[in-house]
Amino acid sequence: DGGITQSPKYLFRKEGQNVTLSCEQNLNHDAMYWYRQDPGQGLRLIYYSQIVNDFQKGDIAEGYSVSREKKESFPLTVTSAQKNPTAFYLCASRTSGSYEQYFGPGTRLTVT
Amino acid sequence: SQQGEEDPQALSIQEGENATMNCSYKTSINNLQWYRQNSGRGLVHLILIRSNEREKHSGRLRVTLDTSKKSSSLLITASRAADTASYFCATDDFRHTGNQFYFGTGTSLTVIP
Repeated sequence: DGGITQSPKYLFRKEGQNVTLSCEQNLNHDAMYWYRQDPGQGLRLIYYSQIVNDFQKGDIAEGYSVSREKKESFPLTVTSAQKNPTAFYLCASRTSGSYEQYFGPGTRLTVT
Repeated sequence: SQQGEEDPQALSIQEGENATMNCSYKTSINNLQWYRQNSGRGLVHLILIRSNEREKHSGRLRVTLDTSKKSSSLLITASRAADTASYFCATDDFRHTGNQFYFGTGTSLTVIP
């Protein structure tokens, strides 16, 4: 069963704590993306990676970090430096021959 | 920001009616895509139209693209209650083929049975 998975679906953290969101895909896609979505808003790009061990900042990378040690995995760490981390986080992947992105189900992070 | 905008922000129609939503963007593009998002879920790709195309059809979906006006429209014909969702357009950047994508603010569609 191919697809892209994100875990957990809901995540609660105290302010000041770092938290890592998981994103795994078994679609053999080269590129992976992290987006943030706030209520009633569109998606804003945090980071993207086109190849293992390489990634680029998107429009809102401050307070976030990523790694791409394996083709299948692109975890996102929300650090304590992110001023307003409560949001819905979406991971996506894409094969290099197509523009179509496949999205995971999302992780809703609440920081109090 | 290169983020586009959809219009209207919200749309409510009766089942069986057609739904039209519009997208405006800011930069030259290679292609434009439309995605659908059910509440609290990930996005699902609907259709892609290239910059050299003016119209494209897929089932009950019809997409138009006017690059001179930097705008696109998505028409859903004979709407169903199951079409209730948010719809987003996404564009790439002509200068950076396929690397980054810019999503609009979305149109929330409600189809009343």
